[in-house]
Amino acid sequence: DAGVIQSPRHEVTEMGQEVTLRCKPISGHNSLFWYRQTMMRGLELLIYFNNNVPIDDSGMPEDRFSAKMPNASFSTLKIQPSEPRDSAVYFCASSLARGPNQPQHFGDGTRLSIL
Amino acid sequence: AQTVTQSQPEMSVQEAETVTLSCTYDTSESDYYLFWYKQPPSRQMILVIRQEAYKQQNATENRFSVNFQKAAKSFSLKISDSQLGDAAMYFCAYRSMDSNYQLIWGAGTKLIIKP
Repeated sequence: DAGVIQSPRHEVTEMGQEVTLRCKPISGHNSLFWYRQTMMRGLELLIYFNNNVPIDDSGMPEDRFSAKMPNASFSTLKIQPSEPRDSAVYFCASSLARGPNQPQHFGDGTRLSIL
Repeated sequence: AQTVTQSQPEMSVQEAETVTLSCTYDTSESDYYLFWYKQPPSRQMILVIRQEAYKQQNATENRFSVNFQKAAKSFSLKISDSQLGDAAMYFCAYRSMDSNYQLIWGAGTKLIIKP
């Protein structure tokens, strides 16, 4: 079975540029999460979708960050304009929203470097 | 608010030996779920094992087992017969029964396997 698929795996760009990260959740999963991981702050939940609807975006750092889920099989996280402090590994995860015992399944992450 | 503490930033073990990673948490809830995730150098977050607080029996998955002490709010992970492929960051996570999505993460423990 295909797991959570993220692209690109690595992204290097200059500050001020727009960055778009992509995620395809596991088929049949109706919850999707975007996380950011840094050495200083660990894993931070940025946003959570349930049935394609954003439920909690309180972790989104600022207006430069936006996330969409136009359908059950695709989500994007966009940063515009990007800044060097946005450099991190960004993970997408999905799960079944049947209850809190359902584990989150993670993609391989996108390592983002903003120069 | 719940918190998760992993007090060992780094642990090392000889190949084929047994190692225990500690995790403690703080909560006022009586029912919840606990998870251990592994993050190897490849970056992907992989679910290792999960425990439901209302179950007294400790969860086991092959060489991985937990020592769940509910009264002490402790959830340690034991890895038996350590293998080189076990080298990774290990994260402990808590999920409330009231939430079907929010995971509270520990800071992680880096496990080094000595050949």
